[in-house]
Order: sequence, then structure tokens, then C-alpha cells
Amino acid sequence: SQQGEEDPQALSIQEGENATMNCSYKTSINNLQWYRQNSGRGLVHLILIRSNEREKHSGRLRVTLDTSKKSSSLLITASRAADTASYFCATAGNSGYSTLTFGKGTMLLVSP
Amino acid sequence: NAGVTQTPKFQVLKTGQSMTLQCAQDMNHEYMSWYRQDPGMGLRLIHYSVGAGITDQGEVPNGYNVSRSTTEDFPLRLLSAAPSQTSVYFCASERQGGTEAFFGQGTRLTVV
Repeated sequence: SQQGEEDPQALSIQEGENATMNCSYKTSINNLQWYRQNSGRGLVHLILIRSNEREKHSGRLRVTLDTSKKSSSLLITASRAADTASYFCATAGNSGYSTLTFGKGTMLLVSP
Repeated sequence: NAGVTQTPKFQVLKTGQSMTLQCAQDMNHEYMSWYRQDPGMGLRLIHYSVGAGITDQGEVPNGYNVSRSTTEDFPLRLLSAAPSQTSVYFCASERQGGTEAFFGQGTRLTVV
């Protein structure tokens, strides 16, 4: 069963605007990760935030994590057409042999 | 470094046929996983391996076999293909469980 659930399922914005995607999960985690997938390609890792962190930045990306609400958000600032892709959150549990559990993704369309 | 390499990129099978999807990584990662991606379902874990000689089932293992004789290779075998196995298959590797995953480009499989 899916651990993470992204919201919204689809998002359409103009270039230069900010895009915010949310992820909710159900059980305790070791970390939460965000991935991007361009059409017809494999997933590419964007950022990892650990359970004891609240916010992390990487370039135009800002990720927040609220473990009390079991939720995370990914903010892409000043979006570009090249940011058009699907974005997935993935959670890693606390067990020794942890696997990643992916959500269903948010499809982002950035129009020029 | 090539990263994670999957072959073939596309495959059409008839119901009942068997085949092996190949996956190789050159990063000396211990963890390797196979996922399938279906529209609206995100990525679901089929099988994973935490090291050579060790494999385990994921969320949707039925109809698939894996083995891990070397650190580099993690083939996925479809024993008797069914139309329900039509999907895009991704192989991924991680340095250790729950860390950044590196994905192959995917294999688009159609079973007719």
C-alpha cells in the first residue's frame, strides 16, 4: 500500500510562479525524499530530509517536514518550463532493512 | 560511471511467455530494487535485495522472480507473462537502505 500521498494530483502554473506540492504519510519515518520524473524517463533524486529536520533548501527547492502532522511540502520557486515533470515523495522507515515507499505523484505543468 | 543500466528499453510479449529484464549498476551499491509503475498508481515495489545472495519480496511480488549473484546485477524474471504485467519497470540502487535511490531509464513491457 502507498505510504505517501501527494496533493494535488496535477498542478498547472505559469513560468516565474511558485509551485507547492504536499505529501502526507502514515507511519513513522527515518527520512522523506522527493524525486522528479520527466516523461518517459527514470526518477531523479532531488532532496532528502531527515526526521529530525524541519526544513531544507537546495537551489530553488525548499522542503519542509512536519512529523507531528506526518506531512511534507516541496516548494519550487520561480518555476521554469523545464520544471514540467511528475514529482514523487518517498518515505524510508526506521527498520534496518528499510525500503522506499513512493506516493502516486503530482504532475506539474509550467507554461511559458 | 554509467549508473543504473536497464535492458531492454521496450519489449512486447505474448501471454505465457517468459523473459528476463536486466539491471546492472556500477556504483557498488548494496541495495537494489525493482518497481513497476502503472498510471495513477505511482511506483510499487516488486522485489529488493540488500546484498549479493539476499533477496526479499516487496508489495507486488507475484509472477516475478529475482536473484542476486553479484553486487552489480539484479535481473527480474517474468515466469509466465500475463496482460496484468503490462507496465513500466524500473530498477534502482541505493548505497544502503532508505538513502538516495538511483534509477534506470525503465523498461516498457506490453503483454498481449
